[in-house]
Order: sequence, then structure tokens, then C-alpha cells
Amino acid sequence: DAGVIQSPRHEVTEMGQEVTLRCKPISGHDYLFWYRQTMMRGLELLIYFNNNVPIDDSGMPEDRFSAKMPNASFSTLKIQPSEPRDSAVYFCASSLGLGGYGYTFGSGTRLTVV
Amino acid sequence: AQSVTQPDIHITVSEGASLELRCNYSYGATPYLFWYVQSPGQGLQLLLKYFSGDTLVQGIKGFEAEFKRSQSSFNLRKPSVHWSDAAEYFCAVGAGTSYDKVIFGPGTSLSVIP
Repeated sequence: DAGVIQSPRHEVTEMGQEVTLRCKPISGHDYLFWYRQTMMRGLELLIYFNNNVPIDDSGMPEDRFSAKMPNASFSTLKIQPSEPRDSAVYFCASSLGLGGYGYTFGSGTRLTVV
Repeated sequence: AQSVTQPDIHITVSEGASLELRCNYSYGATPYLFWYVQSPGQGLQLLLKYFSGDTLVQGIKGFEAEFKRSQSSFNLRKPSVHWSDAAEYFCAVGAGTSYDKVIFGPGTSLSVIP
């Protein structure tokens, strides 16, 4: 398996523009997680899905953020409109389950909003 | 509330020297405990995990960690560090009623000098 695949690796956009980040989890993993990493706040869980259904989105910072998982092999995280404070590295991770399974992370998308 | 602390922001060791990275957690019950490593520009990779059983767990890349309930600690060790071990190391705790809340520590940056 190629692991968790995220695209793009880098994204530079202007404030106010819409940004869409993409993730392909490992086949057979029932759980998908979106994390954001910043120097100030570290790794923060934004939302996670189980069998394509959003379970907990309490970490999504604002209504400007939305996430979807239309099928087991694809998820998107959208920011509309984007703001400079959204600049961060966004990670997607997938897992066979909760608890002791551990997560497999993608390489991340580095988002810069200017 | 659950929390994870990593007292050392940055550690520098000489190649071939031993390493110990500290991690303390706060949680009422026995949590799942993890150590992840993040190389520059990459996602996080699971090194090892613990929930029950032998309190000394072995992981990949020659790492091990010891769970000490009395000290609420889960320190990571390696007997002989290689230059390729230079990276950011994250301790994490899986908690919550369904263990869906994986909380990451702030990370410890490891530098290795020849």
C-alpha cells in the first residue's frame, strides 16, 4: 500500500480564496482524521470520520472549515474563505480502529495564506 | 482533562550516545500511550504503543519505552543514537470513553552531533 496520500504538498493562496485539501486513506482503514499542526498550538484534531461518517467535528475552528468523505477512499478539507491565520501544515491520518491501533499519517499539506 | 507534557523542547546528543525522552500524562485511567517520530517535511510515524501487559515495550528503529504508572510517565529510550534519528518526537495519549481523543504532546526536537 502506498500509505496515506495527501495533495497538494504545498499550497499558497491569497486571503479570501477557497482552499481544498485532499486525502486518500489506506484501503481498509475505517477511520480518517484531519489534524492541523502549528508552532503555537502543536497538533490539533479537527475532525474524524468512521466509515465515511463524520463523528466528531468539535475541533473545526470555524464555519469557514468543512470536511467531507464521499467514499472510503477520499476525503477533502475545505477552507472558504481562507485567512492568514489558517496557515499551517494539515495532516490526514487513517486507522483500522480507535484505541491502540495507532494512526498512519500522510506527508501533510503546507498551507500558506498571504 | 487529559494532557501530555514533554518537558524537553530540544535535546542534543552525540552520535552513539544513549537517549531518553521524557513524557508525562494526565489521565484518570490507564490510557493508550504512543510515541511518534516526525522527520522534517514528513508526517508522523508510529514508533511504539502501550496499553497493558509488560511495561517495557519495544518499537521500531531500536526504540523502547517504559510505562511507569506511579510516575504517570512513558519515557522513550534508545541505547545508541544514529545521526538519522534527528527528528521531532511526539508522545501521545489515547483517552476518552471510546479512546477517540488522541492528544499529542508538544514534541521534543532531537539533534544529533557527530
